[in-house]
This record gives sequence, structure tokens and C-alpha cells, in this order.
Amino acid sequence: DAGITQSPRHKVTETGTPVTLRCHQTENHRYMYWYRQDPGHGLRLIHYSYGVKDTDKGEVSDGYSVSRSKTEDFLLTLESATSSQTSVYFCATEMGNEQFFGPGTRLTVL
Amino acid sequence: SQQGEEDPQALSIQEGENATMNCSYKTSINNLQWYRQNSGRGLVHLILIRSNEREKHSGRLRVTLDTSKKSSSLLITASRAADTASYFCATEDRGSTLGRLYFGRGTQLTVWP
Repeated sequence: DAGITQSPRHKVTETGTPVTLRCHQTENHRYMYWYRQDPGHGLRLIHYSYGVKDTDKGEVSDGYSVSRSKTEDFLLTLESATSSQTSVYFCATEMGNEQFFGPGTRLTVL
Repeated sequence: SQQGEEDPQALSIQEGENATMNCSYKTSINNLQWYRQNSGRGLVHLILIRSNEREKHSGRLRVTLDTSKKSSSLLITASRAADTASYFCATEDRGSTLGRLYFGRGTQLTVWP
């Protein structure tokens, strides 16, 4: 998985609670991405980062925020989780037009 | 939506047969990429074809691109059970400098021994 780890790998939480997912890379790649994967929708971009403290919204950013204080870490926060945010979340980095994906985090919001 | 669309959604074949998957997209692109996802895993990059290329090979993979029709195909020759996975196309918009990709919904390929 090209040195990309995600934590936690599985999480069950309740509606209204805050949740933070972490992506850590060891490749020193500049660009990082958060996607969600849902049946029938494929992968959809939530937020992305093009450098430390430089982030932008993707196509499904409502209800999510991100932070990148170090090159190696990209955090995704659900301020107040909702059942519609139940999904599998993937982090990715990019180098040379190729994206490298982490193993994913399965999040269930009850 | 700028998402690509793969066709078919599911494909089931015997080992040794060829598998062809198609992708259509809507915008002008810099490149088109194909990724594979094994069950429960992250996506893995397979091959990239640039907008000025028409065909590309990598091992048992052959990718074609027709920018006039905004479509691409992925051919896997002499398939193996280990090729069983979901396959996604992804496009990078023309002029993009941030590596942002738009993924399709995927084709689920099952190869029977």
C-alpha cells in the first residue's frame, strides 16, 4: 500500500458524535486525498490537500472537514456524524499521475 | 457529474478467456487511468493512458482511448482467477494541476477456475 496507513480500520459510532480518521504516509508525497466509497456510487472525493495547510473541497465535502499540519498526516473529521456518512473511507496520495491508496476505514454510524 | 461510467457493471468469465471493460466519460481529459480493487482492499493503479495516446500495453493489459467518443476500454487477456476484482476507470480533467481524479462506479469481474 505504498506506505499509507489509515486508523482506525473499523469504527462504530453514534449519530451526533465527532469522529476523526487519520491517514499517515511515509512517502513524502505532496498531494493527499480523502474518498468515500459507497455501493452504486464508486469513489467520490471528499477533500484533498496540495501541501501543508493547503486543502480544498471535493464533490461531497458537506459535513466533513480536514487538516494537514504535517506532510505525512491528513486528518478527516466528521464534526457530528450522521447515518448517511456510514461508508468506507479511503485515503490516497499522488505521485507522477498515479494515486496510491490506503487500506480503508469502515465507518458505521448508528 | 463528471464521473466516468463503466460497462458492464458485472462480468463473469472462465479462466483463459479475455475480459473487456469499457469506460465512458464526459469532459476533456489530460489522461485516463485504470485501477483494480480486490475485495476489502484499497485501489491499485494498473495503467495510465494520456489524451494524445490511442493504445497502451502492460503485460496482459491493453488499454485503448478514443477521445472523439470520450471512451476507453480495458482488455485483460488470458484471464486468471486472481484477476477477480473490481476495475475502475478514472479521469483527470484537462488543465488540472492537482492530480484530482474522477472515478467511475466500477466493473466487478469474476473469473472462474
